[in-house]
Order: sequence, then C-alpha cells, then structure tokens
Amino acid sequence: SQKIEQNSEALNIQEGKTATLTCNYTNYSPAYLQWYRQDPGRGPVFLLLIRENEKEKRKERLKVTFDTTLKQSLFHITASQPADSATYLCALDRTGANNLFFGTGTRLTVIP
Amino acid sequence: EAQVTQNPRYLITVTGKKLTVTCSQNMNHEYMSWYRQDPGLGLRQIYYSMNVEVTDKGDVPEGYKVSRKEKRNFPLILESPSPNQTSLYFCASSLSVLTQEQFFGPGTRLTVL
Repeated sequence: SQKIEQNSEALNIQEGKTATLTCNYTNYSPAYLQWYRQDPGRGPVFLLLIRENEKEKRKERLKVTFDTTLKQSLFHITASQPADSATYLCALDRTGANNLFFGTGTRLTVIP
Repeated sequence: EAQVTQNPRYLITVTGKKLTVTCSQNMNHEYMSWYRQDPGLGLRQIYYSMNVEVTDKGDVPEGYKVSRKEKRNFPLILESPSPNQTSLYFCASSLSVLTQEQFFGPGTRLTVL
C-alpha cells in the first residue's frame, strides 16, 4: 500500500536560513502532490501543489520540487521567519479522485 | 467569508451514545471529505463525497456514517461511538474532484469515555 514518509518529525532552524523538508513516497507515483501547513489546534491550510510533469513550483518564499524517479518531493522555505514555525504536511492523491493520503508531518521551529 | 464550519468544536461523550458532527461550507464546493487525525498516524480519510447523494469510503470508514443531501452540508454520524474513535476530526471541501486544493474546517475534538 502507499506510504509517505516525511524526513523528520521535528526540524529546528535559525531565522533567515532556508528550511528544507522532505517527503518520500512508495509504490506508484501520484499525478500530483500537495503541501499543507498546520498550526496547533487548527485545520491544515493549502500551500502548494505540484504535478508529476512539473519539476519545480514557487510561491513567494516557498519552493517545491518533485522527482518522480526518486519518488520524492522537497519543500523549501527561504529566509525563514519565526512565523513559519508550524507543522508541514505533504499529501498525495492516490486515486485521481482527490482522495488525499497524508504524511504525518514535520514540525518546523524557526529560532529567532 | 468563504469557510468550512464544524460543530461542535469540542465534545465529550460516552460509549454507545449516538452523535453527529456537522460540517457546512459556503463556497458551493462539490467535493467534501472527513478526516481524523491521531498522533503518529497523521490525517486519515474516513469518507468523501464527490457531489450530492454520492458518497464513498475512505481509509478508515468503520464505525462512521455520512450523508450528503445538500451540497453545503456533510454530517458525520457515529451511531455507537467507542473509545477508539477519540480523535481530532476535520471536514474539508474542494471545488470539484478535479480541483485538488482542499479547504479544511477548524476541527472537532471528540473524546469518547
């Protein structure tokens, strides 16, 4: 069955540095992969989507890459700020019918 | 304001007492879904609905029921709750099955004693 692994449960980084989060998946490659942000006690918020035919996607300080050969997506936050501290979830669509399968997330802490 | 709302936000109940968690969206979205989130297991899909009167099972449907009689509402029903259904529940919606971005509600924290 499909499995998603996010590189680490927690990641601490100094303010101003680039945070890099990893999402690895097994079995078949999804048509697209999404990244969400979740703050404590709140619902996930959509950040970025990248399709299998796209190598890279950017949005402001965020960048996502998608390597279907490695079965991996990397999520980068450049010039990180304490306000970026949150849990970041990757999710893929297993069926093409918008049925998302989520990783367990990486909790990012940006230290001032 | 475009949003997904859930009620109640917090609920403590006892084993076997039927309950319903409501979910409503005001964005005219076709697709709606329920997830539960547990420590170490992440978000897991319970049920989803591609449109009115169309529902289907997700990964963990046992012990849950849903209905989709109106486009905006997608209630989650626990006919006989058990302690292993203690969890944080999220409702989500998206414009259609082809529009992948999902909008999540604020969550309902359920405790079954």
